[in-house]
Formats: sequence, structure tokens, C-alpha cells
Amino acid sequence: LAKITQPISMDSYEGQEVNITCSHNNIATNDYITWYQQFPSQGPRFIIQGYKTKVTNEVASLFIPADRKSSTLSLPRVSLSDTAVYYCLVGERSGGGADGLTFGKGTHLIIQP
Amino acid sequence: NAGVTQTPKFRVLKTGQSMTLLCAQDMNHEYMYWYRQDPGMGLRLIHYSVGEGTTAKGEVPDGYNVSRLKKQNFLLGLESAAPSQTSVYFCASSYLLAGGTSNEQYFGPGTRLTVT
Repeated sequence: LAKITQPISMDSYEGQEVNITCSHNNIATNDYITWYQQFPSQGPRFIIQGYKTKVTNEVASLFIPADRKSSTLSLPRVSLSDTAVYYCLVGERSGGGADGLTFGKGTHLIIQP
Repeated sequence: NAGVTQTPKFRVLKTGQSMTLLCAQDMNHEYMYWYRQDPGMGLRLIHYSVGEGTTAKGEVPDGYNVSRLKKQNFLLGLESAAPSQTSVYFCASSYLLAGGTSNEQYFGPGTRLTVT
């Protein structure tokens, strides 16, 4: 299983760009990197997924360096509603199984006015 | 579509009692998962299923059993509950991309279980 490390908490302000980094030194060749957002009393919600370089969608960007030992979730111009816990997930989900899926312990992002 | 639903939302058990948590999805997803979430521990995979009639162990399977008799349902059973199984349980499902992989999982709202 991949060993995943991410900061326990981060603070920022409305309108700022926030970058959350996840470390996964023993990531396997076939592993993808996925980020989820979770609000209190709700299930996690998918944000973005990538394998290498950069991926961007309407809510976030994901930067993955060439060695893939870390990844950075970038949230542009955050608002108060972005206050949540963000989880990094590493693993392969293919027809062969899912027992390699590993979540990080989560980063509690607090956005202040 | 209701997405992923979980029954019940809350439950209190005494040590040694048994119960079954039900997860249902209406998205025709192949993969289904059961996780537990404990403070400071993130989400840990208990069991998962890659299709109807199949199940496999995840990271923390001890003390739990699962069944996937129908594609849309995934049941998690606790035969003899212990206080260490006090947790929030999440079910999730995901689709299989042709020729690829996907970690985009759709989660249910969770079941809060307390074992006294």
C-alpha cells in the first residue's frame, strides 16, 4: 500500500489560491492520484484525478511532477464554502481489483473572510 | 437518480450484537466499496466488490463480512459487534472505464454506528 502524507490543516482567505500537497513516495507505476472533498456529516465528493503532469477541470487543478512522488491540488480563488477536509487517494482501480487503494488522513482547509 | 443510499443512518449496538448495513446504488456501477472513517485516520477500505457475486478484502476486513447478491446492493455485516467497530461507515460505487481505470467514486451519506 502507498504511504500517503498530507498536512493536517491549512488556513487561507477568501479570493486566494490554495495549494495542498500530498506526498506518496512509494507510488506504484499503475497508481492514479485522486482528490476528494468532504463536508461535515457528508460522504466525500470527487474533485479531480490524474496520472502525470497537469490536469485541470472547472473547480481545481492537479499538478504531478515527473517522479510522481507527490501531487498538489490547487484551488483557485477560494471562498468560505471551500472550507472542508480534502483527501488524497492513491491506487489503481482496474478490473483486477482495488485492494491497493489508500486514502491519506485528510487536510482540514479553513477559509476565513 | 438517488445515487448511493445507505440504511440505516444511525445505529447503537451492544457488544456482541449483530447487524447488517445496506448500501444501494442506481447508477449501474460495477464496483462497490465499504469504508470506515475514524477521527484522524481518514478512510480505510474494509471490503469491496468488482461485480455481482464477487467480494474481496480491503485494508481492515477483520470482524466484517459482505455480500453482493445483486449488482445494485452491497451489504456489510457485523456478526459480533465490538466497541472498536464504533465508526462512521461509508459505502461508495464506481464505474469501469473501457480500457482504463477510474478512481472516481460516488459516496453515500454514511452510517454512524456506536457499539457500547
